[in-house]
Amino acid sequence: EVQLVESGGGLVQPGRSLRLSCAASGFTFDDYAMHWVRQAPGKGLEWVSGISWNSGRTGYADSVKGRFTISRDSAKNSLYLQMNSLRLEDTALYYCAKAADIVVSGAAFDIWGQGTMVTVSS
Amino acid sequence: QSVLTQPPSASGTPGQRVTISCSGSTSNIGGNSVSWLQQFPGTAPRLLMYSNNRRPSGVPDRFSGSKSGTSASLAISGLQSEDEAIYYCATWDDSLSGHVVFGGGTKLTVL
Repeated sequence: EVQLVESGGGLVQPGRSLRLSCAASGFTFDDYAMHWVRQAPGKGLEWVSGISWNSGRTGYADSVKGRFTISRDSAKNSLYLQMNSLRLEDTALYYCAKAADIVVSGAAFDIWGQGTMVTVSS
Repeated sequence: QSVLTQPPSASGTPGQRVTISCSGSTSNIGGNSVSWLQQFPGTAPRLLMYSNNRRPSGVPDRFSGSKSGTSASLAISGLQSEDEAIYYCATWDDSLSGHVVFGGGTKLTVL
């Protein structure tokens, strides 16, 4: 079964850090780009970051550039999002999504995880 | 304010045909493929359409997509009550260093 399982969310104070993980199974992880998409409570979808199949290209939303870092580990079939200097506005459900292609420059996300909630609050 | 513009709501009665629009610019829809996602409350989004008009396996052929210039549309024919959901369009935007952009979402109500 093709599956993405996120973990690492939680309650964190502003300015602190958090690292999200996404475990992939049921498909050849190395063959696809991967992305993080978030959704604030009651709001729409917002792309956070993406990484190509071989980590050769990464992309970030302006709202997280310089604070978040995306990475992947093919040996562990896992995707990560290191989030530093967290802000109140980073509070959201963070989804891991598989791209239907190897390149990061696309928006066909064909597999989604169930999401992990990040709450930034003092 | 989303880069891609969608109507906040749409509605139709069972059996009707409904169209949801998505308007962008030359840096996004004008030069890249459009995807559509469907999201039910409390669940993760599901890919409904990609490459403008291609359906993933399992998506009924009642759903169809199109793109013209800097706009795209999702059409749902033979509307069913289970189609009531929020629909998002998405595409790559070539501006700056490149990024994915989403529409604000359209809440479809089946009357």
